[in-house]
Amino acid sequence: GAGVSQSPSNKVTEKGKDVELRCDPISGHTALYWYRQSLGQGLEFLIYFQGNSAPDKSGLPSDRFSAERTGGSVSTLTIQRTQQEDSAVYLCASSLQLTGNTIYFGEGSWLTVV
Amino acid sequence: KNQVEQSPQSLIILEGKNCTLQCNYTVSPFSNLRWYKQDTGRGPVSLTIMTFSENTKSNGRYTATLDADTKQSSLHITASQLSDSASYICVVSLLNYGGSQGNLIFGKGTKLSVKP
Repeated sequence: GAGVSQSPSNKVTEKGKDVELRCDPISGHTALYWYRQSLGQGLEFLIYFQGNSAPDKSGLPSDRFSAERTGGSVSTLTIQRTQQEDSAVYLCASSLQLTGNTIYFGEGSWLTVV
Repeated sequence: KNQVEQSPQSLIILEGKNCTLQCNYTVSPFSNLRWYKQDTGRGPVSLTIMTFSENTKSNGRYTATLDADTKQSSLHITASQLSDSASYICVVSLLNYGGSQGNLIFGKGTKLSVKP
C-alpha cells in the first residue's frame, strides 16, 4: 500500500485478554517504530526495529508487552493480560532509515480495555 | 534528559487569522527537527523537517523556523482555515539512537482550534 497500514483500527477487549496489533510499514522502509498515545497525551516510545538488527525494547512498559517484526516488514505488537491502563491508541511508524528521512505514521489502533 | 517543550498548550483563533506555535528543546546530539499535524483520531502527518543548517522551511501556509543556537523552533500558520484545527507536534531527532526514549523526542503538542 501507499502508506503505513495498521489493524485493527479499533479493538475492545476484556481485561485479562491478550491482543495483537498489526503494522504493515511502507514497502522498503527499514525502520519501524511503535508508539502509544493515551487520550490527550503525547506519544510514548515503545519499541524500534531497524533492518535486521535486534530491536530496542527498552521503551516497553512491562513484560506483558512484546513485539516482533517478521522478514523485515510486518510487525505485530502483542499485549498479554490486558489492563485498563493499556487503553490507548497504538501508533506504528516507518521510515527509510534511522535519521534524516520523513517518518510516516499509520492511523493507529485504538484499544479499549473494559 | 532530552526534552521538547511546546507552547501554548492550546490555542483558539478565528478563521483567517495567523498564529505562531513555539517549541523549545534540550536534545543532544541534535539531528533534525520536525513538525507534525495530528487531526483528532488520526495518525500524525509530517509538515516540515529541518536540519541544523536550515533556519526556515515552508509547506504551503505553514512556515517553520529553527534557531539552533537558542534551541527554539516556531510554526507559523498563515490565513488559518477551519481544517487547520488539530494538534501540532514538535519532534526532535537525536543524531544517535537514544535508548529508552528512542531517537525521536516528542513534544506534547499544541491543540489549535480555528473558529468560524
